[in-house]
Order: sequence, then C-alpha cells, then structure tokens
Amino acid sequence: EVQLVESGGGLVQPGGSLRLSCAASGFTFSSYAMNWVRQAPGKGLEWVSYISSRSTTMYYADSVKGRFTISRDNAKNSLYLQMNSLRDEDTAVYYCARGEDSGSFDNWGQGTLVTVSS
Amino acid sequence: QSVLTQPASVSGSPGQSITISCAGTSSDVGGYNFVSWFQQHPGKAPKLMIYDVSNRPSGVSNRFSGSKSGNTASLTISGLQAEDEADYYCSSYTSRSSVVFGGGTKLTVL
Repeated sequence: EVQLVESGGGLVQPGGSLRLSCAASGFTFSSYAMNWVRQAPGKGLEWVSYISSRSTTMYYADSVKGRFTISRDNAKNSLYLQMNSLRDEDTAVYYCARGEDSGSFDNWGQGTLVTVSS
Repeated sequence: QSVLTQPASVSGSPGQSITISCAGTSSDVGGYNFVSWFQQHPGKAPKLMIYDVSNRPSGVSNRFSGSKSGNTASLTISGLQAEDEADYYCSSYTSRSSVVFGGGTKLTVL
C-alpha cells in the first residue's frame, strides 16, 4: 500500500524558515516524480513545486520561487521542502503528492499544517 | 484568483447526473490533454478521480467521466450517490511548466 507521511509543520514567525519532510513507503520511490501542493484554510488547492524522479528537473509556482526549495533523497525514500522567508500567505496545509508534472497526482499524504504568524 | 474557472457549487438528487465545468485558456486546458479531477471530502486529502482528460485510475467508479472541448474541461458524475457529496477540483498542466488548479466546486447531493 502506498503511504506518504508529511511532517515538520508548525508555527513560525514571518520571515522565518521551516523544512517539511514526506516519508514514502509501499512503492519504488526512486521511480516516481513528486510534488508539494498546499491548501490555505477554507481555500482551494495550490500547486507549489515538482521534482523529477532523479532530481534532474524542478519546477516552482511563481508565489514561492526564490523562497522555497524542493529536494529528495531516494536512498531514504524522502521528499523535502525547504521554506525560507515565510509570509502570512504561506499559511496552509502542505500535502506531498506522487505524480508527474501533468498533474496526475495519484497518491497524497494526509498533510502537515504550516502557520505563519507573529 | 484561480487560473481555471469552476462553478462555486452544483447540486443534484440521488440518481441524477451532474456536470462540473473547468474553463481555462489555450495555454493550459486547451493546449494539452493533461486535465485531472480531484475529489476532496472535508478534512481529507484530495483523491484523483480522472487524469489526462478522460482516464479513470483503478478503483474509481465508472460513474465518473471526463471530457474536454476547446479550452473547457468537464467532469460528469452519473447516478449521483450521497457519498459523492464533496469538493471537486480540476487541474491542468500549463505552458509555463506548472500545474494550475481550479477554485473548486462544492457538490451537494439533495
């Protein structure tokens, strides 16, 4: 069974940093591209970032470009999102999702809440 | 403001069919056959229902179908059931190598 478990969320002040992790199991992690998608409280889904299976290609939403960095460690079956210069509008539940940059995200984690507030 | 436009809400009675539209541009929906649809129940993670415009993942009921005409994609749910009540989101690949979502549609089963 495919499992994706996010961690690392919490309360952080504006301008601060946070690193999210996503632990994958139940499939060959190194064979799949991965993504981060977020959802602000009571709002819709927003794609954040994509990384190819071997980390050769990364894409970012304009709203996070230059502030967030996606990475992965295939030996540890883990996906990461380094978030710097956090803003109030980055407050959201962050999901990791398996799938290609076409948007066919076939498996999602349960999400981790990031709250940016002073 | 979402790039893809969906109706805020739709409703239908059990057994009926409903269609949710997803309007984009030639730079996203109209330019690629990479439209997906997701179902999200309150407090839960999204679930992929349709990918690549009209393909259903294994395990998804054949009551769910997708299509596209020009810059607008559609999700049709036939034989509505109470458990279909949820939020539905469309997404599309874009010419800027990104993925965009619609604003979401709340489906109410009357």
